[in-house]
Amino acid sequence: QKEVEQNSGPLSVPEGAIASLNCTYSDRGSQSFFWYRQYSGKSPELIMFIYSNGDKEDGRFTAQLNKASQYVSLLIRDSQPSDSATYLCAVKSSGGYNKLIFGAGTRLAVHP
Amino acid sequence: EPEVTQTPSHQVTQMGQEVILRCVPISNHLYFYWYRQILGQKVEFLVSFYNNEISEKSEIFDDQFSVERPDGSNFTLKIRSTKLEDSAMYFCASSESTRGPQHFGDGTRLSIL
Repeated sequence: QKEVEQNSGPLSVPEGAIASLNCTYSDRGSQSFFWYRQYSGKSPELIMFIYSNGDKEDGRFTAQLNKASQYVSLLIRDSQPSDSATYLCAVKSSGGYNKLIFGAGTRLAVHP
Repeated sequence: EPEVTQTPSHQVTQMGQEVILRCVPISNHLYFYWYRQILGQKVEFLVSFYNNEISEKSEIFDDQFSVERPDGSNFTLKIRSTKLEDSAMYFCASSESTRGPQHFGDGTRLSIL
Protein backbone atom coordinates (compact mmCIF):
# COMPACT_ATOMS: atom_id res chain seq x y z
CA GLN A 1 0.00 0.00 0.00
CA LYS A 2 1.56 3.26 -1.13
CA GLU A 3 1.31 5.90 1.58
CA VAL A 4 1.94 9.60 2.05
CA GLU A 5 2.34 10.73 5.65
CA GLN A 6 2.00 14.20 7.10
CA ASN A 7 1.67 15.56 10.62
CA SER A 8 -1.93 16.64 11.01
CA GLY A 9 -1.04 19.69 13.09
CA PRO A 10 -2.16 22.25 13.79
CA LEU A 11 1.14 23.95 13.17
CA SER A 12 0.88 27.35 14.74
CA VAL A 13 3.32 30.10 13.70
CA PRO A 14 3.37 33.85 14.30
CA GLU A 15 2.87 36.23 11.39
CA GLY A 16 6.16 36.86 9.60
CA ALA A 17 7.76 33.58 10.69
CA ILE A 18 8.81 30.62 8.52
CA ALA A 19 6.39 27.71 8.45
CA SER A 20 7.93 24.31 7.73
CA LEU A 21 5.68 21.50 6.53
CA ASN A 22 6.92 17.95 6.07
CA CYS A 23 5.85 14.88 4.18
CA THR A 24 7.21 11.35 3.79
CA TYR A 25 6.19 8.82 1.15
CA SER A 26 6.57 5.10 0.80
CA ASP A 27 6.74 4.64 -2.99
CA ARG A 28 10.46 4.71 -3.76
CA GLY A 29 9.77 4.91 -7.50
CA SER A 30 7.80 8.17 -7.30
CA GLN A 31 9.21 10.98 -9.43
CA SER A 32 6.72 13.85 -9.10
CA PHE A 33 5.70 15.67 -5.95
CA PHE A 34 3.13 18.35 -5.37
CA TRP A 35 1.97 20.69 -2.63
CA TYR A 36 -1.62 21.85 -2.60
CA ARG A 37 -3.31 24.34 -0.30
CA GLN A 38 -6.88 23.63 0.75
CA TYR A 39 -9.06 26.12 2.57
CA SER A 40 -11.94 24.68 4.55
CA GLY A 41 -14.71 23.52 2.23
CA LYS A 42 -12.73 24.40 -0.89
CA SER A 43 -10.79 22.48 -3.50
CA PRO A 44 -7.04 21.77 -3.52
CA GLU A 45 -5.08 24.65 -5.05
CA LEU A 46 -1.66 23.90 -6.54
CA ILE A 47 1.15 25.71 -4.72
CA MET A 48 4.36 24.01 -5.85
CA PHE A 49 5.64 20.99 -7.69
CA ILE A 50 9.10 19.46 -7.67
CA TYR A 51 10.67 16.62 -9.61
CA SER A 52 14.41 16.77 -8.78
CA ASN A 53 16.34 16.49 -5.55
CA GLY A 54 17.12 19.81 -3.92
CA ASP A 55 15.25 23.06 -3.50
CA LYS A 56 12.80 24.87 -5.75
CA GLU A 57 11.73 28.40 -4.89
CA ASP A 58 8.68 30.36 -6.02
CA GLY A 59 8.07 33.63 -4.24
CA ARG A 60 7.59 32.96 -0.52
CA PHE A 61 7.42 29.20 -1.07
CA THR A 62 10.29 26.72 -1.24
CA ALA A 63 9.82 23.03 -1.91
CA GLN A 64 12.57 20.63 -0.89
CA LEU A 65 12.94 17.06 -2.10
CA ASN A 66 15.19 14.27 -0.86
CA LYS A 67 14.41 11.08 -2.77
CA ALA A 68 16.95 9.01 -0.85
CA SER A 69 15.13 9.81 2.39
CA GLN A 70 11.71 9.80 0.66
CA TYR A 71 11.01 13.20 2.12
CA VAL A 72 9.41 16.35 0.75
CA SER A 73 8.98 19.63 2.57
CA LEU A 74 7.43 23.02 2.00
CA LEU A 75 8.75 26.20 3.56
CA ILE A 76 6.60 29.31 3.68
CA ARG A 77 8.56 32.46 4.43
CA ASP A 78 7.02 35.61 5.92
CA SER A 79 3.87 33.68 6.84
CA GLN A 80 0.62 35.64 6.64
CA PRO A 81 -2.75 34.97 8.30
CA SER A 82 -4.11 34.30 4.79
CA ASP A 83 -1.73 31.32 4.61
CA SER A 84 -3.81 29.61 7.30
CA ALA A 85 -5.13 26.49 5.57
CA THR A 86 -4.51 22.77 5.25
CA TYR A 87 -1.49 21.89 3.13
CA LEU A 88 -1.73 18.65 1.21
CA CYS A 89 1.30 16.72 0.02
CA ALA A 90 0.59 14.66 -3.10
CA VAL A 91 2.85 12.11 -4.76
CA LYS A 92 2.39 10.74 -8.25
CA SER A 93 2.28 6.97 -8.01
CA SER A 94 4.89 5.00 -9.89
CA GLY A 95 3.92 1.97 -11.93
CA GLY A 96 0.59 3.39 -12.93
CA TYR A 97 -0.57 6.34 -14.93
CA ASN A 98 -1.12 9.69 -13.27
CA LYS A 99 -2.77 8.82 -9.98
CA LEU A 100 -1.93 11.22 -7.16
CA ILE A 101 -1.73 9.83 -3.66
CA PHE A 102 -2.53 12.47 -1.07
CA GLY A 103 -1.50 12.81 2.52
CA ALA A 104 -4.09 13.75 5.10
CA GLY A 105 -2.72 17.30 5.22
CA THR A 106 -1.15 19.56 7.81
CA ARG A 107 -3.29 22.35 9.19
CA LEU A 108 -1.35 25.61 9.41
CA ALA A 109 -2.51 28.47 11.63
CA VAL A 110 -0.72 31.80 11.28
CA HIS A 111 -1.59 34.13 14.13
CA PRO A 112 -1.12 37.92 14.06
CA GLU B 1 -5.82 32.02 -15.86
CA PRO B 2 -7.55 28.94 -17.33
CA GLU B 3 -9.42 26.86 -14.82
CA VAL B 4 -11.36 23.64 -14.44
CA THR B 5 -15.08 24.26 -13.98
CA GLN B 6 -17.52 21.90 -12.31
CA THR B 7 -21.30 21.84 -12.13
CA PRO B 8 -23.37 21.71 -10.07
CA SER B 9 -21.65 23.04 -6.97
CA HIS B 10 -24.05 21.10 -4.77
CA GLN B 11 -26.22 18.11 -5.64
CA VAL B 12 -28.76 16.57 -3.29
CA THR B 13 -30.13 13.18 -4.36
CA GLN B 14 -32.20 10.38 -2.92
CA MET B 15 -30.42 7.09 -2.31
CA GLY B 16 -30.72 4.80 -5.32
CA GLN B 17 -30.98 7.62 -7.83
CA GLU B 18 -28.52 8.31 -10.62
CA VAL B 19 -26.38 11.42 -10.60
CA ILE B 20 -24.17 12.98 -13.24
CA LEU B 21 -21.42 15.36 -12.23
CA ARG B 22 -20.03 17.58 -14.94
CA CYS B 23 -16.63 19.07 -15.56
CA VAL B 24 -15.03 21.24 -18.20
CA PRO B 25 -11.26 20.65 -18.06
CA ILE B 26 -8.69 23.26 -19.09
CA SER B 27 -8.91 23.47 -22.86
CA ASN B 28 -5.40 22.32 -23.87
CA HIS B 29 -5.23 19.56 -21.27
CA LEU B 30 -5.37 15.95 -22.39
CA TYR B 31 -5.54 14.03 -19.11
CA PHE B 32 -8.60 14.10 -16.91
CA TYR B 33 -9.28 12.80 -13.42
CA TRP B 34 -11.91 12.42 -10.76
CA TYR B 35 -11.12 12.43 -7.07
CA ARG B 36 -13.36 12.48 -4.04
CA GLN B 37 -13.00 13.66 -0.48
CA ILE B 38 -15.29 12.41 2.24
CA LEU B 39 -15.69 15.01 4.98
CA GLY B 40 -12.63 15.05 7.23
CA GLN B 41 -10.76 12.47 5.16
CA LYS B 42 -8.02 12.38 2.53
CA VAL B 43 -8.48 13.22 -1.11
CA GLU B 44 -8.86 9.85 -2.89
CA PHE B 45 -8.23 9.00 -6.51
CA LEU B 46 -11.17 7.55 -8.45
CA VAL B 47 -10.24 7.41 -12.13
CA SER B 48 -8.00 8.83 -14.82
CA PHE B 49 -8.98 9.25 -18.47
CA TYR B 50 -6.97 9.83 -21.61
CA ASN B 51 -7.71 9.53 -25.30
CA ASN B 52 -11.33 8.59 -24.62
CA GLU B 53 -10.38 5.67 -22.41
CA ILE B 54 -10.01 4.97 -18.73
CA SER B 55 -6.28 4.67 -18.07
CA GLU B 56 -6.49 3.79 -14.39
CA LYS B 57 -9.19 3.35 -11.78
CA SER B 58 -9.23 2.73 -8.06
CA GLU B 59 -11.05 0.07 -6.06
CA ILE B 60 -13.66 2.68 -5.22
CA PHE B 61 -14.55 3.04 -8.91
CA ASP B 62 -16.79 -0.02 -9.17
CA ASP B 63 -19.54 -0.87 -11.66
CA GLN B 64 -21.76 1.86 -10.26
CA PHE B 65 -19.38 4.51 -11.59
CA SER B 66 -18.72 5.51 -15.18
CA VAL B 67 -17.00 8.38 -16.95
CA GLU B 68 -17.54 9.87 -20.35
CA ARG B 69 -16.29 12.64 -22.57
CA PRO B 70 -19.49 13.25 -24.52
CA ASP B 71 -18.07 16.12 -26.59
CA GLY B 72 -14.87 18.10 -27.02
CA SER B 73 -15.17 20.00 -23.78
CA ASN B 74 -17.16 18.12 -21.13
CA PHE B 75 -16.05 15.28 -18.89
CA THR B 76 -18.68 13.58 -16.74
CA LEU B 77 -18.84 11.21 -13.80
CA LYS B 78 -22.00 9.14 -13.44
CA ILE B 79 -23.02 7.23 -10.36
CA ARG B 80 -25.76 4.81 -11.36
CA SER B 81 -27.43 3.97 -8.05
CA THR B 82 -26.22 6.21 -5.28
CA LYS B 83 -25.56 5.01 -1.75
CA LEU B 84 -25.33 6.98 1.47
CA GLU B 85 -21.57 6.44 1.52
CA ASP B 86 -21.23 8.23 -1.84
CA SER B 87 -21.79 11.52 0.00
CA ALA B 88 -18.56 13.48 -0.51
CA MET B 89 -16.92 16.32 -2.40
CA TYR B 90 -16.09 15.23 -5.93
CA PHE B 91 -13.23 17.00 -7.64
CA CYS B 92 -12.42 16.98 -11.32
CA ALA B 93 -8.82 17.68 -12.33
CA SER B 94 -6.89 17.95 -15.55
CA SER B 95 -3.26 18.04 -16.62
CA GLU B 96 -1.41 18.88 -19.80
CA SER B 97 0.90 15.89 -19.62
CA THR B 98 1.45 12.72 -17.63
CA ARG B 99 4.10 14.40 -15.52
CA GLY B 100 2.57 17.83 -15.25
CA PRO B 101 0.66 19.14 -12.28
CA GLN B 102 -3.04 18.42 -11.95
CA HIS B 103 -5.32 21.41 -11.61
CA PHE B 104 -8.51 20.94 -9.63
CA GLY B 105 -11.97 22.36 -10.11
CA ASP B 106 -14.00 23.83 -7.27
CA GLY B 107 -15.77 20.52 -6.69
CA THR B 108 -19.32 19.24 -6.44
CA ARG B 109 -20.69 18.53 -2.99
CA LEU B 110 -22.84 15.40 -3.34
CA SER B 111 -25.31 14.74 -0.55
CA ILE B 112 -27.22 11.45 -0.60
CA LEU B 113 -30.37 11.32 1.53
